[in-house]
Amino acid sequence: EIVLTQSPGTLSLSPGERATLSCRASQSVSSSYLAWYQQKPGQAPRLLIYGASSRATGIPDRFSGSGSGTDFTLTISRLEPEDFAVYYCQQYGSSPMTFGQGTKVEIK
Amino acid sequence: QVQLVQSGAEVKKPGASVKVSCKASGYTFTSYYMHWVRQAPGQGLEWMGIINPSGGSTSYAQKFQGRVTMTRDTSTSTVYMELSSLRSEDTAVYYCARESTVGATPYWGQGTLVTVSS
Repeated sequence: EIVLTQSPGTLSLSPGERATLSCRASQSVSSSYLAWYQQKPGQAPRLLIYGASSRATGIPDRFSGSGSGTDFTLTISRLEPEDFAVYYCQQYGSSPMTFGQGTKVEIK
Repeated sequence: QVQLVQSGAEVKKPGASVKVSCKASGYTFTSYYMHWVRQAPGQGLEWMGIINPSGGSTSYAQKFQGRVTMTRDTSTSTVYMELSSLRSEDTAVYYCARESTVGATPYWGQGTLVTVSS
């Protein structure tokens, strides 16, 4: 099973700042089948990025994904108030599908 | 538009079973795989398994092998997840999530809270 490790655990930033979230895999993620999700309290996860760098439908372009192999990054260029949430990476190239433990982006 | 509507919250005693449903609409039910993912209170996301609504084939996470059964009813476009021998650690929100053509899961049900308590 591919283990995904996200860092940092918590990111304290102000609106307008840049957020950089990391996801490291224990082995190479095939075909960059790596996704990022945003989750707010009481809500289901929302797909932001798939294929490591493709934005899902309706996702603002301040969200971008990059990386390949074992190292992936989600960048939020300028944080909006609605971006403060928990973010998860997910690999879906190998069974079982696995998730990282999450990064909480909180208001500083 | 794609909608996944799950059944309501459940309270079960240890040792019992629970069956959660996920009714799909807005697309061809048999064309996309469905996953089940759970989230314990304050914790992360945990994949439980996948079902192919077309033929009914399944694949389960090793952790749940022997305790979970995923089925589907094509006449009602509904998938089911049954978890048996419940224990307190199974208290969680259970989600169904539909794959897309690119393999990720952009569509999620609203979640079903299952509480296991004596």
